[in-house]
Amino acid sequence: GDSVTQMEGPVTLSEEAFLTINCTYTATGYPSLFWYVQYPGEGLQLLLKATKADDKGSNKGFEATYRKETTSFHLEKGSVQVSDSAVYFCALSANSNDYKLSFGAGTTVTVRA
Amino acid sequence: DTAVSQTPKYLVTQMGNDKSIKCEQNLGHDTMYWYKQDSKKFLKIMFSYNNKELIINETVPNRFSPKSPDKAHLNLHINSLELGDSAVYFCASSSQGYHNQETQYFGPGTRLLVL
Repeated sequence: GDSVTQMEGPVTLSEEAFLTINCTYTATGYPSLFWYVQYPGEGLQLLLKATKADDKGSNKGFEATYRKETTSFHLEKGSVQVSDSAVYFCALSANSNDYKLSFGAGTTVTVRA
Repeated sequence: DTAVSQTPKYLVTQMGNDKSIKCEQNLGHDTMYWYKQDSKKFLKIMFSYNNKELIINETVPNRFSPKSPDKAHLNLHINSLELGDSAVYFCASSSQGYHNQETQYFGPGTRLLVL
């Protein structure tokens, strides 16, 4: 079945450091790929998405490129801030009629001043 | 102004009780979902409704029963609560659009603790 594997955390960084969170997926067909972020005590919100191979999603300084050849969608940010401390979820939506998102396990990121 | 709202935000109850969680969205979306997030932050789909019709019913105990009175509401009723039901429950919604490309919008979550 469809599944997402993402880098285990927790990840602790200093401000202005480079952040990478690895995400790989298994799916039939052509899924859409998403990164959602969950700030402490809140629900999830979309960070970025890509719906076809080689698409790059970007938002708030974060980027991820849909790589079909390596079945990956790694999240990167060049210079993190304390406000980026959150749990990051990689997710896929398969090319089917059930609309559901399959999530990775989540990566907790803490940025220290 | 809240796009997806859930009530209550916190729910503490005894084992064996029956409880309901309500969800409402004002985004005009056709599809609504319930997800469960466990203590390790792992998220799993439970149910999905499209235009008030059940389209996803994952392997969830039948003590959990969703009800969608209209497109803007999806409620979750839980009978005979068990300790293992303690979790955060998130409601979400999305437009129908091109099904697997649509963004899902999440509510703030309901933190359920069963004692």
